[in-house]
Amino acid sequence: DAKTTQPTSMDCAEGRAANLPCNHSTISGNEYVYWYRQIHSQGPQYIIHGLKNNETNEMASLIITEDRKSSTLILPHATLRDTAVYYCIVGSGNTPLVFGKGTRLSVIA
Amino acid sequence: NAGVTQTPKFQVLKTGQSMTLQCAQDMNHEYMSWYRQDPGMGLRLIHYSVGAGITDQGEVPNGYNVSRSTTEDFPLRLLSAAPSQTSVYFCASRPNRGVTDTQYFGPGTRLTVL
Repeated sequence: DAKTTQPTSMDCAEGRAANLPCNHSTISGNEYVYWYRQIHSQGPQYIIHGLKNNETNEMASLIITEDRKSSTLILPHATLRDTAVYYCIVGSGNTPLVFGKGTRLSVIA
Repeated sequence: NAGVTQTPKFQVLKTGQSMTLQCAQDMNHEYMSWYRQDPGMGLRLIHYSVGAGITDQGEVPNGYNVSRSTTEDFPLRLLSAAPSQTSVYFCASRPNRGVTDTQYFGPGTRLTVL
């Protein structure tokens, strides 16, 4: 079973920041938080991952709370092409990724 | 690099038929895996492999077989297709060097069992 809890769906206005929350209260010390997204019925696409510190790349930012029990994925300026299902996954890297149902983000013009 | 490729893209089977879904990657990745995705659901892990000659079961392995004779290929065999196996099947690979590996997914095979 997935070790994360995410809202089923969210809406975001185009051009605004999209903040996607994820709860992972049972995360272990050596486990990372990974984010993937799936656009339409394509294969999932990697976005970002982190252990303790906040991370940023060209796609998004990842904010992890100090107790590591929750995190937020931030898309700074959402576009219509960011409409997708976003998966938050907890794992140790050498183990298989277990996907939950994710959050369906709709970016609205 | 072609990345992760899957064939066929679409397949219709009758109950009881067998078939093999093909998956190949040209990135020399050690780790490969198969997922299925039912409508409105997340991905569920079927089988995975950490290298040639090594395979292991995931969450939903029943009704499927895998083998890993080469690094590049990881075929998924449906032994006797059932309507419950109607789904989209995704193959994925990653280097397996450690926790920072990115997993790459193929485009999927859409299977319908009548």
